[in-house]
Amino acid sequence: DTGVSQDPRHKITKRGQNVTFRCDPISEHNRLYWYRQTLGQGPEFLTYFQNEAQLEKSRLLSDRFSAERPKGSFSTLEIQRTEQGDSAMYLCASSLQIAKNIQYFGAGTRLSVL
Amino acid sequence: RKEVEQDPGPFNVPEGATVAFNCTYSNSASQSFFWYRQDCRKEPKLLMSVYSSGNEDGRFTAQLNRASQYISLLIRDSKLSDSATYLCVVNSRSNQGGKLIFGQGTELSVKP
Repeated sequence: DTGVSQDPRHKITKRGQNVTFRCDPISEHNRLYWYRQTLGQGPEFLTYFQNEAQLEKSRLLSDRFSAERPKGSFSTLEIQRTEQGDSAMYLCASSLQIAKNIQYFGAGTRLSVL
Repeated sequence: RKEVEQDPGPFNVPEGATVAFNCTYSNSASQSFFWYRQDCRKEPKLLMSVYSSGNEDGRFTAQLNRASQYISLLIRDSKLSDSATYLCVVNSRSNQGGKLIFGQGTELSVKP
């Protein structure tokens, strides 16, 4: 499978715990995006990388959230001290740096905070 | 006001019907426009890009009106397999990037 891969697919955690998600983009794609989606809404942008540089962060990304892409390949998204409001689907997407910037999404990690 | 707004739906139509989805966007500087399809509990998948001249892909036709900041999607001869949520998406350029701004989605249910 050469698409965007996310791990884990599901994560159940207790409030206050830390969680980390991983995203492996399509191999030749230099841009990587994180989005969050709650029930009945479209995905909302969180942050994006071009190669290893984090170029933009949404105001939705509080201090408890951190994302990295250390070698310009896979990325991790960590949430510290999880809250019930963090429960959502976390989607990763990747794209090539060309005009239309078409983004291809992974299957997502569904987070449930109890 | 949301940056991208869509008909709330749901749309319930019989097989073979023609259905139209509408979308408006607020950022006049937006560069690229798309329709994505999302099946229940799955990831969004690109359905088609949208061009000012209008474009067609089989039973699907997309239109863009930059002056009115309006995007539409027409599905002709709808199939059961068209049942999904349709997301109107705008590429809002920032820095050198291209984050996508999504509408809330319109749910379509095609019945036999």
